[in-house]
Amino acid sequence: NAGVTQTPKFQVLKTGQSMTLQCAQDMNHNSMYWYRQDPGMGLRLIYYSASEGTTDKGEVPNGYNVSRLNKREFSLRLESAAPSQTSVYFCASSVGTETQYFGPGTRLLVL
Amino acid sequence: RKEVEQDPGPFNVPEGATVAFNCTYSNSASQSFFWYRQDCRKEPKLLMSVYSSGNEDGRFTAQLNRASQYISLLIRDSKLSDSATYLCVVSDNAGNMLTFGGGTRLMVKP
Repeated sequence: NAGVTQTPKFQVLKTGQSMTLQCAQDMNHNSMYWYRQDPGMGLRLIYYSASEGTTDKGEVPNGYNVSRLNKREFSLRLESAAPSQTSVYFCASSVGTETQYFGPGTRLLVL
Repeated sequence: RKEVEQDPGPFNVPEGATVAFNCTYSNSASQSFFWYRQDCRKEPKLLMSVYSSGNEDGRFTAQLNRASQYISLLIRDSKLSDSATYLCVVSDNAGNMLTFGGGTRLMVKP
């Protein structure tokens, strides 16, 4: 099993550009999550999906949208990127609310 | 006040040393507690869950004090490979979301 996969690994955007970060898991988990990690801030939850067809806001949802395409896939979209969105983005999945399994991350730089 | 607070370190210790990390959390209704480990430029991975009775996994011991809202991690006989950032993690009272501390960086020296 690949676990949790994320694409792309790295991305450079100009301010105002849009992009979608892709995440997929092959562990048949119900719950999926998107986090961002900034130096000194720890991981902060952007959005989560407790089950297929549902999504909820986390701590820092502004400037992002998500889609739970099916049980396996959960994408994160930046409609108009800003330099403040420069960060490392992690996707995670879990069976319920306990152990979360993380993808390798996407490093995003917005100029 | 942050919901989950940790000393960022770094803690520099020699191989073989015993080192302890502490973490405090603000939500008294939190349900579950964890320590995750994150290596440089890698994703976080679960190290261990933390139970009210305390739990041990090899050289690692975790303790929870609900009254003081305090979690600890003790690492005995430190190895070079223990060098990483240790994240204290707390779930909300509904158990739906995890809140991560900023992490404590450990560097084990030969």
